[in-house]
Amino acid sequence: NAGVTQTPKFRILKIGQSMTLQCTQDMNHNYMYWYRQDPGMGLKLIYYSVGAGITDKGEVPNGYNVSRSTTEDFPLRLELAAPSQTSVYFCASSLGGDILSYEQYFGPGTRLTVT
Amino acid sequence: AQKITQTQPGMFVQEKEAVTLDCTYDTSDPSYGLFWYKQPSSGEMIFLIYQGSYDQQNATEGRYSLNFQKARKSANLVISASQLGDSAMYFCAMREGQVNSGYSTLTFGKGTMLLVSP
Repeated sequence: NAGVTQTPKFRILKIGQSMTLQCTQDMNHNYMYWYRQDPGMGLKLIYYSVGAGITDKGEVPNGYNVSRSTTEDFPLRLELAAPSQTSVYFCASSLGGDILSYEQYFGPGTRLTVT
Repeated sequence: AQKITQTQPGMFVQEKEAVTLDCTYDTSDPSYGLFWYKQPSSGEMIFLIYQGSYDQQNATEGRYSLNFQKARKSANLVISASQLGDSAMYFCAMREGQVNSGYSTLTFGKGTMLLVSP
């Protein structure tokens, strides 16, 4: 199993450009998440999804959009990129939310720089 | 108020010694879970250990153990017999209950950088 895969691994954007970060998991997990990690900080939740067709905002959703058309895919869209969105982005998935012990499996991350 | 507090930005330990990484949490929910993740310099997040709020015993996974003191709201990670490969960033995280709502997101601390020296 590949687990959680993310593309691209690195990207440089100019201010005002848009892009989509791709995330795919092959574990048939219902829950998927997008986090950002700023230098020297922990992860902050951007958006999450509890199943296909259902998404909800996390702690820092401004400037981002998501969709969940399939169980496997959870792309993150950046519209009008800003320097404040320079960060490392992690996608994660978990089996469910009804048991506290379900761990989250993380992708390798996407390092995004906006200049 | 922060939900997860890791007060040690960095820790140093010699190889083969034990080290404790501190984590305190804040929640009013009686049901919660506490996680520790390791992030090596390569960047991936690796799950280490889990402790549930109702677990009577401290969690252990190989060289990792969790010193869970519920009354003090602390969940410190203990690494025994440190190895050079343990050098990494360590994050404490909490998932709060609300089980019936299906709400299941993690709140992370800012992390502690552990450096293991020969």
